[in-house]
Amino acid sequence: QVQLVQSGAEVKKPGSSVKVSCKTSGGIFNSYAINWVRQAPGQGLEWMGGIITTVGRTNYAQKFQGRVTITADKSTSTAYMDLSSLRFEDTAVYYCAKEGAGPIVGSTSGAFDIWGQGTMVTVSS
Amino acid sequence: DFQMTQSPSTLSASVGDRVIITCRASQSISRWLAWYQQKPGKAPKLLIYKTSTLENGVPSRFSGSGSGTEFTLTISSLQPDDFATYYCQNYHPLTFGGGTKVEIK
Repeated sequence: QVQLVQSGAEVKKPGSSVKVSCKTSGGIFNSYAINWVRQAPGQGLEWMGGIITTVGRTNYAQKFQGRVTITADKSTSTAYMDLSSLRFEDTAVYYCAKEGAGPIVGSTSGAFDIWGQGTMVTVSS
Repeated sequence: DFQMTQSPSTLSASVGDRVIITCRASQSISRWLAWYQQKPGKAPKLLIYKTSTLENGVPSRFSGSGSGTEFTLTISSLQPDDFATYYCQNYHPLTFGGGTKVEIK
C-alpha cells in the first residue's frame, strides 16, 4: 500500500530550524518526485519545493530559496524538509506529497496524487 | 509574478446544484492544471489532473475543462460529501490558486 507518513508536531523558537520527515512505503520512493506544500492556519496551499529522489535533484520556490533544504535518503525511503531561520509566519501544517505518474514511463502527471497526513509546526517564543 | 486566481472565493449552494469554479492564470499556461478537494483537518485530495483527467476513484460528477488562461471545475450535481474547499494547481511554474470554499446554502 502506497503511503506517506510524516513525523510529529513540532514547536520551535524564532530563528531556529525544523526538520520534517516523510517516510514512503509501497515501493514509490525511487520512482516519483516528492514535494513539500505548507498551509498556514486558515490559509491556502503553498508549494515550497521538491526532490527527484532517483537523482537527488531539487527545485525550490523562489520564496524559500536559501531557507529550505529538501533531501532524500534512499536507504530508508524517506524524504526530509529542513526549514531554517524560522519566523512566526512559518507556523503552518507542512505536507509532503508524491507526484503522480504520467502516461509515458518516467513522466509526471504534474499533480500530487498521494499526500502525507501533515505535520504541524508552531513557531512561538 | 505568475499567479493563479480562483473565483469565487466562497460559493453557497444546495445539494443537487450544478457548481462551477473558475481558475485564471496570469499568463497562458499549458494543460498542466490540477484540481484538489480539501476538508477541514485533512490533506488535499487530487480530483483532476492535466485539465480534464479524472483521478481514479473520483466520481464522474466532477469534470474539468479549459485552455489558455481560464480553467473550470464543474460539479454536475452537488452531493453532501462535496462541501469542502477546492484548489487549482498549475505545474509550470508550480502554483496553487487561493481556494474556493463550497458551503451549504
